Amino acid sequence: DTAVSQTPKYLVTQMGNDKSIKCEQNLGHDTMYWYKQDSKKFLKIMFSYNNKELIINETVPNRFSPKSPDKAHLNLHINSLELGDSAVYFCASSLRGGALTDTQYFGPGTRLTVL
Amino acid sequence: QQQVKQSPQSLIVQKGGISIINCAYENTAFDYFPWYQQFPGKGPALLIAIRPDVSEKKEGRFTISFNKSAKQFSLHIMDSQPGDSATYFCAAQKGAGTYKYIFGTGTRLKVLA
Repeated sequence: DTAVSQTPKYLVTQMGNDKSIKCEQNLGHDTMYWYKQDSKKFLKIMFSYNNKELIINETVPNRFSPKSPDKAHLNLHINSLELGDSAVYFCASSLRGGALTDTQYFGPGTRLTVL
Repeated sequence: QQQVKQSPQSLIVQKGGISIINCAYENTAFDYFPWYQQFPGKGPALLIAIRPDVSEKKEGRFTISFNKSAKQFSLHIMDSQPGDSATYFCAAQKGAGTYKYIFGTGTRLKVLA
């Protein structure tokens, strides 16, 4: 049983296209996150949702729009893709994101390549 | 103030040796310091974590040493094994209710057989 799953695992697309990445967690967690990992492996939070409500938006371009239809899902839609969007995107979840010592569980990542 | 500085960027250790990765922070409001391990093609996974009220935490071969006054903490991997070869990230969280980690820049560890 995969705790945090993402689809697709790989995404190759042309500049200017719109694409979505889906994330699901079966851990019963309240909080979900999107992280971006660039080519130098730097890991940076993009968004955090708690009980379907947006908690953190780390000055991400508004071409990125997260959507949480329920607590178990957090999708990421990207409009007008740019070369600089190429990265690995990780979804993560934690039991109660506001609790200090909650572990964040990461999905396997989606490698996005914009040509 | 929000940064967590991590060093070295890469590390090569012989099997059986000790791997040491260091992190430093500025913001004294940080209150929780986890270490994550990431294997190629996988997502990061929690390895070990510490709060600043203790100076050391050990789990198996992995130990975190924490120096609150110096605002530094480090990960020690004893008896390093080739299976430990991965990228290691330190992180910091600024108290309950903040909903996010600030990650260090990562250290690529290679343990030679």
